[in-house]
Amino acid sequence: GQQLNQSPQSMFIQEGEDVSMNCTSSSIFNTWLWYKQDPGEGPVLLIALYKAGELTSNGRLTAQFGITRKDSFLNISASIPSDVGIYFCAGQNAYGGSQGNLIFGKGTKLSVKP
Amino acid sequence: DAGVTQSPTHLIKTRGQQVTLRCSPKSGHDTVSWYQQALGQGPQFIFQYYEEEERQRGNFPDRFSGHQFPNYSSELNVNALLLGDSALYLCASSLGRLNEQFFGPGTRLTVL
Repeated sequence: GQQLNQSPQSMFIQEGEDVSMNCTSSSIFNTWLWYKQDPGEGPVLLIALYKAGELTSNGRLTAQFGITRKDSFLNISASIPSDVGIYFCAGQNAYGGSQGNLIFGKGTKLSVKP
Repeated sequence: DAGVTQSPTHLIKTRGQQVTLRCSPKSGHDTVSWYQQALGQGPQFIFQYYEEEERQRGNFPDRFSGHQFPNYSSELNVNALLLGDSALYLCASSLGRLNEQFFGPGTRLTVL
């Protein structure tokens, strides 16, 4: 089945730094979504992407739907302490046997630099 | 506008028991999907309900079953609990099967 590789697995941020993470798939998706999850809570939707090449922003967050439809990128500019958490990418297909369900990566954990 | 709600928040069961988890979708949403999230992993799709029928199912055994009610709320049932069923169970709702999914806070199930 489809699998998502998300990288990096973890990273440390200092306030004010820009952050980049990405997600790649072995096959194509129709939709890419990015979620953030804080400890003990459910994932919160940050950005949804529907078209190859699409670039979408939500405040300091910018995400892109890769041209090949097999990857997506998330950038956070000028990070602040509340950006700490786990970021998940998820792909969704509109057709076929897995129509509608989300396939998640393993997450990128953002922590504050000691 | 209430978001997705789930109950209970936490649950402790012993092996072999049965459990029922509940989910109320976001106002206006008609589709409910259930996910299992093990510690340190991304959520794994269990199944999706739309128009009171199971429309998609992930790679989970028949011990996992569900139901959707006319008001779009949903239940997840797990029979013959195993230690490995310990996880955070997440419910997500959407308007239609292919639109953005919004998650509830989850139910933390511990099987002893």
